Amino acid sequence: NAGVTQTPKFQVLKTGQSMTLQCAQDMNHEYMSWYRQDPGMGLRLIHYSVGAGITDQGEVPNGYNVSRSTTEDFPLRLLSAAPSQTSVYFCASRGDLVPGELFFGEGSRLTVL
Amino acid sequence: DQQVKQNSPSLSVQEGRISILNCDYTNSMFDYFLWYKKYPAEGPTFLISISSIKDKNEDGRFTVFLNKSAKHLSLHIVPSQPGDSAVYFCAARTYSGGGADGLTFGKGTHLIIQP
Repeated sequence: NAGVTQTPKFQVLKTGQSMTLQCAQDMNHEYMSWYRQDPGMGLRLIHYSVGAGITDQGEVPNGYNVSRSTTEDFPLRLLSAAPSQTSVYFCASRGDLVPGELFFGEGSRLTVL
Repeated sequence: DQQVKQNSPSLSVQEGRISILNCDYTNSMFDYFLWYKKYPAEGPTFLISISSIKDKNEDGRFTVFLNKSAKHLSLHIVPSQPGDSAVYFCAARTYSGGGADGLTFGKGTHLIIQP
């Protein structure tokens, strides 16, 4: 029972490089989202999707792109990484039983030098 | 403008005693409140929630209390156990329809259970 799977777990980038954080879920959840966690800042929503083909911006979307071609996958793209994007990134999908309940992946720690 | 506030960055409690974690909010439109628990190097996991029309919800050792007039909720853990040592996030839901309702998280409280 995999749940939400994120790859990679760790990544170091140089300023200006691009990369994609992968997220996949096997629970057939329509809603998926990306959060970033910074020290003393809690979890902040970057982008979310309510279903395949539909995405929208969250609280801190600048510098990130997303797409949702299938129900299972929701990748997060950094087109030109900046040191301010050094953070821990969490992908989450939402279940249908408890309002607001999110199922999180284990996180991806990104360092931008 | 922080809509969900956890004013205690950390809390230390002796094993077997009660742990009380607090959360304040400002938005009257929140309709559900949730608590998540996070261990180091893991993703947050859902712990317990409460609807805005309730004032208490209990699940085993965990109870959440909601005081709407004060815009305050608290999580009680009784008795506290070493495995409860973690960061606890308070979160509040805004229902917007169409499946787009989102969660606003507090900054978290690091609970440390002392033996």
